[in-house]
Amino acid sequence: NAGVTQTPKFQVLKTGQSMTLQCAQDMNHNSMYWYRQDPGMGLRLIYYSASEGTTDKGEVPNGYNVSRLNKREFSLRLESAAPSQTSVYFCASSSGASRGPGGKSYEQYFGPGTRLTVT
Amino acid sequence: DQQVKQNSPSLSVQEGRISILNCDYTNSMFDYFLWYKKYPAEGPTFLISISSIKDKNEDGRFTVFLNKSAKHLSLHIVPSQPGDSAVYFCAASSLSGGNNRLAFGKGNQVVVIP
Repeated sequence: NAGVTQTPKFQVLKTGQSMTLQCAQDMNHNSMYWYRQDPGMGLRLIYYSASEGTTDKGEVPNGYNVSRLNKREFSLRLESAAPSQTSVYFCASSSGASRGPGGKSYEQYFGPGTRLTVT
Repeated sequence: DQQVKQNSPSLSVQEGRISILNCDYTNSMFDYFLWYKKYPAEGPTFLISISSIKDKNEDGRFTVFLNKSAKHLSLHIVPSQPGDSAVYFCAASSLSGGNNRLAFGKGNQVVVIP
């Protein structure tokens, strides 16, 4: 199993350009997430998909759109990149299984990240 | 407003000694807590978790303690090893939320000196 994969690993964009970050998981997980990590800011949730066919905004959704293409794939799109979107982007997934105390079903598995620079 | 707080951004510890990382949360609905470890240029990896029905969970060298009344948890690493040098993130969730969203702290850099 590859777990969570992300493409590309690195990308440089000019202000105003668009791009799509791809994410796929092979763990048959229901829930998928997009985060950004900035220095001194920890991980902030951009968008998430609790299950196939649903998407919801996280903490910092402005400037982004997402598509849950199928159960495996969850893409993040920047329509008009801005320098403030320079960051490392992580995709994650979790099984979202039924509730139970202490169950490992709540942990999220992360991809290796995409380092994006907008000039 | 940050719901999960990790103060003391960095910690240096001698190999073999104990590393203690602290985390405070403000949302009383949080009832499930996790610690993640992150190496440079890699994604975070799950380390250990604890449910609010417990006050301690142990996994090898890693132990997490939860004090619900103080809204505080800590991660103990004993003994610390050079491979433990990484950034550690505390995260929290509300199981009743139904969407498995995690709120993360800003992270603590740990350096283990051989």
